[in-house]
Amino acid sequence: NAGVTQTPKFQVLKTGQSMTLQCAQDMNHEYMSWYRQDPGMGLRLIHYSVGAGITDQGEVPNGYNVSRSTTEDFPLRLLSAAPSQTSVYFCASRGSLGGNQPQHFGDGTRLSIL
Amino acid sequence: AQSVSQHNHHVILSEAASLELGCNYSYGGTVNLFWYVQYPGQHLQLLLKYFSGDPLVKGIKGFEAEFIKSKFSFNLRKPSVQWSDTAEYFCAVRGGRRALTFGSGTRLQVQP
Repeated sequence: NAGVTQTPKFQVLKTGQSMTLQCAQDMNHEYMSWYRQDPGMGLRLIHYSVGAGITDQGEVPNGYNVSRSTTEDFPLRLLSAAPSQTSVYFCASRGSLGGNQPQHFGDGTRLSIL
Repeated sequence: AQSVSQHNHHVILSEAASLELGCNYSYGGTVNLFWYVQYPGQHLQLLLKYFSGDPLVKGIKGFEAEFIKSKFSFNLRKPSVQWSDTAEYFCAVRGGRRALTFGSGTRLQVQP
């Protein structure tokens, strides 16, 4: 099983550029989410989705957009990259909304904004 | 809103020492509690989880945690740490259908 797959693993952008971080899971999970990890701040939730066509904001949504057109994919878009968005981004998925399921994490995308 | 507080930001221990990492959460209802570990350069891995039942939860690699509802705590313990336990440890809470909220993490350094 591939689990949660994130691409790319590394990316360097210039301020103002846009890009999409890809996340795909092959476990038919309903719940998917994006976190950013910064030193001393743990993981902070950016956006999440409880199913195809449904997304909602997390703790730090500004500067990011998401969509969930399929169960498998949950891309994260940076519309105009800023140095403050330099971070490591993790995508996660979980099987059941109401059940006792832990999150499965991808390997992360390390993003640097110059 | 739910929140998580980890008291220790950086812990340095010698091999064979005992470990206890503190975690307190705030949420008014039923919670699911987790401890994740992140080894250098890797993604998060689940150490253990608490959903219901026995408040003493055993996880992988000899770790355990105790849920004390009255103290809103879920401390992580290990009787004897090894050099390979050097990593960052995150406590996380999920209340109801909400997303996970993570603590800021504790960096554990085990010296041989």
